[in-house]
Amino acid sequence: QVQLQESGPGLVKPSQTLSLTCSVSGGSISSGTYYWGWIRQHPGKGLEWIGYIHYSGSTYYNPSLKSRVTISVDTSKNQFSLKLSSVTAADTAVYYCARAIVMVRGVFDYWGQGTLVTVSS
Amino acid sequence: EIVMTQSPATLSVSPGEGATLSCRASQSVSSNLAWYQQKPGQAPRLLIYGASTRATGIAARFSGSGYGTEFTLTISSLQSEDFAVYYCQQYDKWPPLFTFGPGTKVDI
Repeated sequence: QVQLQESGPGLVKPSQTLSLTCSVSGGSISSGTYYWGWIRQHPGKGLEWIGYIHYSGSTYYNPSLKSRVTISVDTSKNQFSLKLSSVTAADTAVYYCARAIVMVRGVFDYWGQGTLVTVSS
Repeated sequence: EIVMTQSPATLSVSPGEGATLSCRASQSVSSNLAWYQQKPGQAPRLLIYGASTRATGIAARFSGSGYGTEFTLTISSLQSEDFAVYYCQQYDKWPPLFTFGPGTKVDI
């Protein structure tokens, strides 16, 4: 059974860069069958897709965040990461990492438990 | 961007009753529509994809239907564990810009 686990600072100062890592167990991130992505949920709100990456390095980002987002993959550690620059209070959210099936592109079948990131000085 | 809307915002149901949740897309997404269930403090769980295909391990009381812009999630005979928030999500366009609906809360 695939498991995903987010890790990273829970508090980030405004204008700094938010950095999170997702560790994948029970399966290889190098499988060509999946994309590895990030989705966030503002407190008490709905879900927002941030972007995802294929192990080959192909990346796709939400245009609304594209100028500030970088998603990368480390196949040697079976991990992928999110960097979101120039954060503001509006970036305070629970951040989930998730796996998407290539064949259906945007279906997220496994999710991490989520990690709350608060942007505050 | 394709905007997803869901109705009702809240649905009050008694255990054992059925529930019908609606999702509408601002433009056609064909059958590229998924449903997720989220309980408090938990990550979303995939229920349905391709508008009507149940994900692995999902109970048969969950069914999805629809095509184009109008979709429905039906839960027959609600169990206590089904009280949660349900989100629809479209994944139609490429390059991707996936969007979620605002959710329907199913409570007792």
